[in-house]
Amino acid sequence: EVQLVESGGGLVQPGGSLRLSCSASGFTFSSYAMHWVRQAPGKGLEYVSAISSNGGSTYYADSVKGRFTISRDNSKNTLYLQMSSLRAEDTAAYYCVKDWSWGQGTLVTVSS
Amino acid sequence: EIVLTQSPATLSLSPGERATLSCRASQSVSSYLAWYQQKPGQAPRLLIYDASNRATGIPARFSGSGSGTDFTLTISSLEPEDFAVYYCHQRSNWPPLITFGQGTRLEIK
Repeated sequence: EVQLVESGGGLVQPGGSLRLSCSASGFTFSSYAMHWVRQAPGKGLEYVSAISSNGGSTYYADSVKGRFTISRDNSKNTLYLQMSSLRAEDTAAYYCVKDWSWGQGTLVTVSS
Repeated sequence: EIVLTQSPATLSLSPGERATLSCRASQSVSSYLAWYQQKPGQAPRLLIYDASNRATGIPARFSGSGSGTDFTLTISSLEPEDFAVYYCHQRSNWPPLITFGQGTRLEIK
């Protein structure tokens, strides 16, 4: 069974940084592209970033390009999202996604 | 970028009635489409994947159909716990990009 467990969320001031992690199990992590998706309070789902199976290709939504960096460690079955220059509008639940499987999410709040 | 358009935005029905939700893609996504249910404070719950396959543990009253650009989620007889927001989601293998519909809110009439 696919399991995705996000961690690393919390309260951060505007302009600050945070690194999210997603620990994966139940499948061959190194064989799959992975994604980050977010949902601001009361809003819909928004694609944030994707990374190819070997980490060689990455993709970003325009709203986070230049501020967020997606990466992965296939030896640790872990996906990361390094977030910097955070803004109030980045406040959201962040989900790790593989194909149709989602984690439970980690909440990021950007506020002074 | 593939755009998914869900309709209606809000659907007001009573328990026991049939619900039909639509998701239209701006270009063909083959059968790479899923439906999710989301309740307040919870993560999206996978209902249907690859357009018509029910996920593990999902009741038979939920069904999905369609391919290409037009997809439908049908709930044959609404139960009280079915009132929630529903999203469609498409993915492409390469590049690995995903998009979502804006959601349909299913509310009790």
